[in-house]
Amino acid sequence: GQNIDQPTEMTATEGAIVQINCTYQTSGFNGLFWYQQHAGEAPTFLSYNVLDGLEEKGRFSSFLSRSKGYSYLLLKELQMKDSASYLCAVNDSTLGRLYFGRGTQLTVWP
Amino acid sequence: EAGVVQSPRYKIIEKKQPVAFWCNPISGHNTLYWYLQNLGQGPELLIRYENEEAVDDSQLPKDRFSAERLKGVDSTLKIQPAELGDSAVYLCASSLGGGSYEQYFGPGTRLTVT
Repeated sequence: GQNIDQPTEMTATEGAIVQINCTYQTSGFNGLFWYQQHAGEAPTFLSYNVLDGLEEKGRFSSFLSRSKGYSYLLLKELQMKDSASYLCAVNDSTLGRLYFGRGTQLTVWP
Repeated sequence: EAGVVQSPRYKIIEKKQPVAFWCNPISGHNTLYWYLQNLGQGPELLIRYENEEAVDDSQLPKDRFSAERLKGVDSTLKIQPAELGDSAVYLCASSLGGGSYEQYFGPGTRLTVT
C-alpha cells in the first residue's frame, strides 16, 4: 500500500528558510514530486526526484533518500507569495499511479 | 501555450441531480487524469486515460460516476445521481505520458451538493 506523511501546517517569516518533510511507504517507487497549490487554484509542479540527492531550482530545492523513504522541500528567502499548500506525491510503479499526501499549509508572515 | 481548461468552475446542485464536468487537456498530451480533492486533502485519482482508453479506473465509483474521452482529447466526467458527500473539487490533469511525466492541472470544478 501507500502511506505518505507530511506536516499539516508550518509557519515562517519573510526572508527565512523552511524545510517541509515528507515520508512515504509504497509498494513500488518511481519518483517523488512536489507541487505547490495556492488556495482555490490548481496544483503547479515544483520538482521531481527519482535518484537520491538534492535537486536545486532557484529558491527551491528538493531532497530524496530512497532507502529512508524520505524527502524534503527546502524554500529559501521566503516571500509572502510562498504562502500555499505544498503537496508531496509519490509515483507508484506497481500501479502506475501518483499518490498525494494531504499537503502542508505554509503561512509566511511579514 | 494554453493550459488545461475545465468548465464549469463552480457548480451547485441538489442531491440526486446529475452533473457533468468538462476538460480540455494541453494539446499533444495523451494522458488525461481526473482527480477528486476534498478540503485539506491531496488529490485522489479517479480515472486515468491513455488516449481514448481508460487504463486505470479502479478508484472510480462506477455505480454513480462515469467518464469518457471519445476522441482521445476532451473528456467528460459525470455523476448521476449526486450525493451530499460528492461535494469537492474535481481536478483534471494531463501529461505527455504516464509515470514520471509532470502532470499539468486545470483550475478544477468546485461542486457543492445541497
